[in-house]
Amino acid sequence: EAGVAQSPRYKIIEKRQSVAFWCNPISGHATLYWYQQILGQGPKLLIQFQNNGVVDDSQLPKDRFSAERLKGVDSTLKIQPAKLEDSAVYLCASSHQAGNRYEQYFGPGTRLTVT
Amino acid sequence: GQQLNQSPQSMFIQEGEDVSMNCTSSSIFNTWLWYKQDPGEGPVLLIALYKAGELTSNGRLTAQFGITRKDSFLNISASIPSDVGIYFCAGLRIHNNAGNMLTFGGGTRLMVKP
Repeated sequence: EAGVAQSPRYKIIEKRQSVAFWCNPISGHATLYWYQQILGQGPKLLIQFQNNGVVDDSQLPKDRFSAERLKGVDSTLKIQPAKLEDSAVYLCASSHQAGNRYEQYFGPGTRLTVT
Repeated sequence: GQQLNQSPQSMFIQEGEDVSMNCTSSSIFNTWLWYKQDPGEGPVLLIALYKAGELTSNGRLTAQFGITRKDSFLNISASIPSDVGIYFCAGLRIHNNAGNMLTFGGGTRLMVKP
């Protein structure tokens, strides 16, 4: 079974530029998540989708971050304009739940450096 | 927001030693997940725990879901060099109308003694 796919793996941009990340979840996983992981910390949830609807985006800095999952499968996360403090690893994850059994799987992440 | 306190923050291991780490919270969780993250990679799911008191093993790894549902521990027996990495606990609260929210601990960094 293929895992969560993300691209690009690395991105370097200057502040005030725009950037977009792409994620393809595990086939059949209805829930998709975007996390931001700052060096030395655990992942912090940015946005959660259930199919193509947003379930939770309370931690998403909406003045500069946006995300969509138009057909309920792939998702893109965009930052416009980027700030220095946006330098982090952006992780996509998808989850599966059967009864009370829940498992969430992560992609390899996109490491963003803003200069 | 919810806080997960994970300890220790870092530890040195010698090959063959047993390792123990834990997470505590002031909130109750429905599920505990333990992940390992290697440099440049995303977290990899190691063990999932679904019931209070549950003890689950995965090879040399053993994890338990605390009776109070507010804590969990992970043990690694007879550590080997490839155990080096960052281990994260994550607690899940199920919100029927608002989806499931996973909260992560700060991580335990395992390093090899020189």
